[in-house]
Amino acid sequence: NAGVTQTPKFQVLKTGQSMTLQCAQDMNHNSMYWYRQDPGMGLRLIYYSASEGTTDKGEVPNGYNVSRLNKREFSLRLESAAPSQTSVYFCASSEWGPGAANTGELFFGEGSRLTVL
Amino acid sequence: RKEVEQDPGPFNVPEGATVAFNCTYSNSASQSFFWYRQDCRKEPKLLMSVYSSGNEDGRFTAQLNRASQYISLLIRDSKLSDSATYLCVVNMGSAGNTPLVFGKGTRLSVIA
Repeated sequence: NAGVTQTPKFQVLKTGQSMTLQCAQDMNHNSMYWYRQDPGMGLRLIYYSASEGTTDKGEVPNGYNVSRLNKREFSLRLESAAPSQTSVYFCASSEWGPGAANTGELFFGEGSRLTVL
Repeated sequence: RKEVEQDPGPFNVPEGATVAFNCTYSNSASQSFFWYRQDCRKEPKLLMSVYSSGNEDGRFTAQLNRASQYISLLIRDSKLSDSATYLCVVNMGSAGNTPLVFGKGTRLSVIA
């Protein structure tokens, strides 16, 4: 029962370096999401993909890019990392699209802890 | 007014106590509501949905008041294992495909 798998779980970067966070789900879900979680800020949506082939900006998209590679995989790229991007990143998936009234259960990965020095 | 607001706590309660959390939301067109639980350094997980008529799951009761735009979660007979952060989540639904909006969470510590 893998569910949502994120890699890497931990990463330390220097300012200006790039990296890609990988996410895969095995539940045949249509929608996938990337959130970041910071102390005192709660979960904030970075990007989401309502279905394969589509992506949309969330609340805090600046400094990030995403790719919905196929139905299973949704990656998040930091092109030039900044200390402000130090955070815990969560990938999630849901069966229904984000606008559907019955969308409620998001399945989260275990998180990726990123530190940018 | 922020979209989803919660008292951050922490709520420190003894075992066996009853504790209630409230959450307010700003968009009156919001369609569905949920409570998630997040343990320390873990991912959030769905605890329960919140239905218009109110709903119960064991020691947990969720209520929705659309007129006042708030949601509540009541935990009876608190256990040590209930210690976690509880996230209020609102699906804005008809507001243009807006995904779920998370509150910042209310931290609960149940003390022996």
